[in-house]
Amino acid sequence: GENVEQHPSTLSVQEGDSAVIKCTYSDSASNYFPWYKQELGKRPQLIIDIRSNVGEKKDQRIAVTLNKTAKHFSLHITETQPEDSAVYFCAASKGGSSASKIIFGSGTRLSIRP
Amino acid sequence: DTAVSQTPKYLVTQMGNDKSIKCEQNLGHDTMYWYKQDSKKFLKIMFSYNNKELIINETVPNRFSPKSPDKAHLNLHINSLELGDSAVYFCASSQVPTGGYEQYFGPGTRLTVT
Repeated sequence: GENVEQHPSTLSVQEGDSAVIKCTYSDSASNYFPWYKQELGKRPQLIIDIRSNVGEKKDQRIAVTLNKTAKHFSLHITETQPEDSAVYFCAASKGGSSASKIIFGSGTRLSIRP
Repeated sequence: DTAVSQTPKYLVTQMGNDKSIKCEQNLGHDTMYWYKQDSKKFLKIMFSYNNKELIINETVPNRFSPKSPDKAHLNLHINSLELGDSAVYFCASSQVPTGGYEQYFGPGTRLTVT
């Protein structure tokens, strides 16, 4: 089955700097890669996603890149702000397959230093 | 106008008891899920229902029994609670069961077994 590995487990960056979180997946049939943000005590919420027919996607300060050959994808947050502090999860699934599961990475706790 | 709601938010109980968690979504989605998030923040799927039919049943002890009376509701009943069941349980929903769509999470139920 699919396995998603996520690094680093914790990340501390200075406010205004960039943060990068990396994930690898094992199942080459996976074609949908969402990223979820979970603030302390709150529910996970989708912040950006990418499908396998696209190499990069941006939404304001957030971008995701996908390398299908290497089976890895990354989240980039630029100009980090205090409200970016949270746990971030990458995930992978086989979109279009009936009863497909989303497999989550182990999470990255991002802290923004003032 | 909450999209996915769960009750109760907190549940503290003793080992051996039986408890239930309820979930409702008003998004008109066909698919609902139960996830378990342990103390290390790992987010793992337990069950998925599509239009009241069980489609994903992970390796979960049979003390856990989900029930979907209609496609807007998914409940989780847990028998003979054990210490290791302590976790946050999230309900979620998505448009379709094919894995390529956003998962909308409920606020979570923090279960503590003493």
